[in-house]
Amino acid sequence: GENVEQHPSTLSVQEGDSAVIKCTYSDSASNYFPWYKQELGKGPQLIIDIRSNVGEKKDQRIAVTLNKTAKHFSLHITETQPEDSAVYFCAATSYNFNKFYFGSGTKLNVKP
Amino acid sequence: GAVVSQHPSWVICKSGTSVKIECRSLDFQATTMFWYRQFPKQSLMLMATSNEGSKATYEQGVEKDKFLINHASLTLSTLTVTSAHPEDSSFYICSAWDRGGTDTQYFGPGTRLTVL
Repeated sequence: GENVEQHPSTLSVQEGDSAVIKCTYSDSASNYFPWYKQELGKGPQLIIDIRSNVGEKKDQRIAVTLNKTAKHFSLHITETQPEDSAVYFCAATSYNFNKFYFGSGTKLNVKP
Repeated sequence: GAVVSQHPSWVICKSGTSVKIECRSLDFQATTMFWYRQFPKQSLMLMATSNEGSKATYEQGVEKDKFLINHASLTLSTLTVTSAHPEDSSFYICSAWDRGGTDTQYFGPGTRLTVL
């Protein structure tokens, strides 16, 4: 099956700085890569996703890049704000898997 | 994005009792729903895949007789924790796959189960 690794496990940045979280996956058949934000005591919320037919996708301050050759994808948050503080999970899947494989999570702390 | 609800949001029960958790997709039909368990400061652990109209597929190590899953309609899946014990205390989260729309997975808000 698929194996998704996520780094770093914790990340502290100053408000206004950028944050980057990286994930690698093992199965070349994976073709869909979502990112979720989870606040304490709540369910994960989809914030951005990318499919294998594109290399980059951006939504305001959030962007995701995908390198299929190297089997890694990254989440980029620019101009970070304290409300960005949360745990972020990456995931990988393919239409053949019928389930999502999650990374171990990154706790982002944005200091005001 | 699409909305998935869970009920209850939290429940406290006595050891030996059974607890049912509902997961609903509110604005789309979901032939596939998933149940996860999450321990503090850890990632989501997939327990089972719930398919409408058929038996759930359980992950290795998950007791199907203890965690009963029913996906009777395209908008509702239920997880029943039978004969709950303190070690079953956890945060249970469901998700629904919007295959017919955005083709992605949306999560419910989670249910905090505490077994005394």
